[in-house]
Amino acid sequence: DIQMTQSPSSLSASVGDRVTITCQASQDISNYLNWYQQKPGKAPKLLIYDASNLETGVPSRFSGSGSGTDFTFTISSLQPEDIATYYCQQYDNLPRMYTFGQGTKLEIK
Amino acid sequence: EVQLVESGGGLVQPGGSLRLSCAASGFTVSSNYMSWVRQAPGKGLEWVSVIYSGGSTYYADSVKGRFTISRDNSKNTLYLQMNSLRAEDTAVYYCARDPRSNMDVWGKGTTVTVSS
Repeated sequence: DIQMTQSPSSLSASVGDRVTITCQASQDISNYLNWYQQKPGKAPKLLIYDASNLETGVPSRFSGSGSGTDFTFTISSLQPEDIATYYCQQYDNLPRMYTFGQGTKLEIK
Repeated sequence: EVQLVESGGGLVQPGGSLRLSCAASGFTVSSNYMSWVRQAPGKGLEWVSVIYSGGSTYYADSVKGRFTISRDNSKNTLYLQMNSLRAEDTAVYYCARDPRSNMDVWGKGTTVTVSS
């Protein structure tokens, strides 16, 4: 089974800061990686799919990059409404199965 | 409006059964892959099961043999039959549309508590 290691587990930053979260796969997963945002008490929301594609309607300050085993999620300028937990998600297609990272809880400093 | 609404959660004793429902509107369940994802209290997200548009089903090892995903096309509704429930199955259960190897529409979730 593919393991996903997400870091850091928590992060404190100031409004306007550039924020970076990483996700590492235990083996090559090509670009089969998505990123989600989950606010307290709410369902997750898809932000980035296939490593670097911005979901429709998601602000352009969010971005993703990487392929193979190492992936990065970036918020270019942190806004107060970005306070949430962020998850990476790896997928297999044959059959379709998913593994989530452990999550990164983002707080405002 | 595209929407998913889960129901059927509640308190059940260990070893008991529960069936969750996920009613869809604004799109057709049978034309999409659909998944269930759960989140234990204070924990991260765990994928549980998927049903393909063609009807094939797959499960996480943690629920294989105990949970069954299905759908009723006439009701445009997804289900998760959960048997032999354990304390570690306690979680919020979300259904999600899964059209492109990602989950682009989610319900608000339904809470399952397994306790005596």
